[in-house]
Amino acid sequence: GESVGLHLPTLSVQEGDNSIINCAYSNSASDYFIWYKQESGKGPQFIIDIRSNMDKRQGQRVTVLLNKTVKHLSLQIAATQPGDSAVYFCAEGSGSNDYKLSFGAGTTVTVRA
Amino acid sequence: SAVISQKPSRDICQRGTSLTIQCQVDSQVTMMFWYRQQPGQSLTLIATANQGSEATYESGFVIDKFPISRPNLTFSTLTVSNMSPEDSSIYLCAGGFYSNQPQHFGDGTRLSIL
Repeated sequence: GESVGLHLPTLSVQEGDNSIINCAYSNSASDYFIWYKQESGKGPQFIIDIRSNMDKRQGQRVTVLLNKTVKHLSLQIAATQPGDSAVYFCAEGSGSNDYKLSFGAGTTVTVRA
Repeated sequence: SAVISQKPSRDICQRGTSLTIQCQVDSQVTMMFWYRQQPGQSLTLIATANQGSEATYESGFVIDKFPISRPNLTFSTLTVSNMSPEDSSIYLCAGGFYSNQPQHFGDGTRLSIL
């Protein structure tokens, strides 16, 4: 079946460095992609989204890149801070499926002081 | 964005019993969803809660086990029926204004079944 997955389950980053979290998707019909951050004991928090008619979108300290050719999505976090330590999920949706979200496995990001 | 509140935040239940989880949104959202998240795992969509009509369930989830109500645009309930230890999980409510825009999540209900 179709799935959304992540390349690496964990990422350790030095405070102040940039983080890159990767995500692969297999549903070629997906046209909406979204990144969430989940801290311990909390629900997923929206970070940034991107539609398939774009290949890059920037937010505050975050950038999402979409490569439809290889079905790859990435989240870049600039100047990683201790508060960025969390689990990060990518999710994808498709207009042909009412944009119901399918979530990837998640990457745990740990920021080293 | 919408602010999602869930009650209870956690519960410990006996097997064979049922628990109803409430989800309240601070604004009228078009879409409401219920997800399950096993500890340390990703999120799986249970169903879409439809206002005034039966919920739309995903493969592997059935109404008899997870009855859902949505009487208006700001409130929904999920009942976990006839619970077994396998139902121990985090149950999350999400809401959104349009289908191709972000869903916003509550902090979940942590359910343990003994």
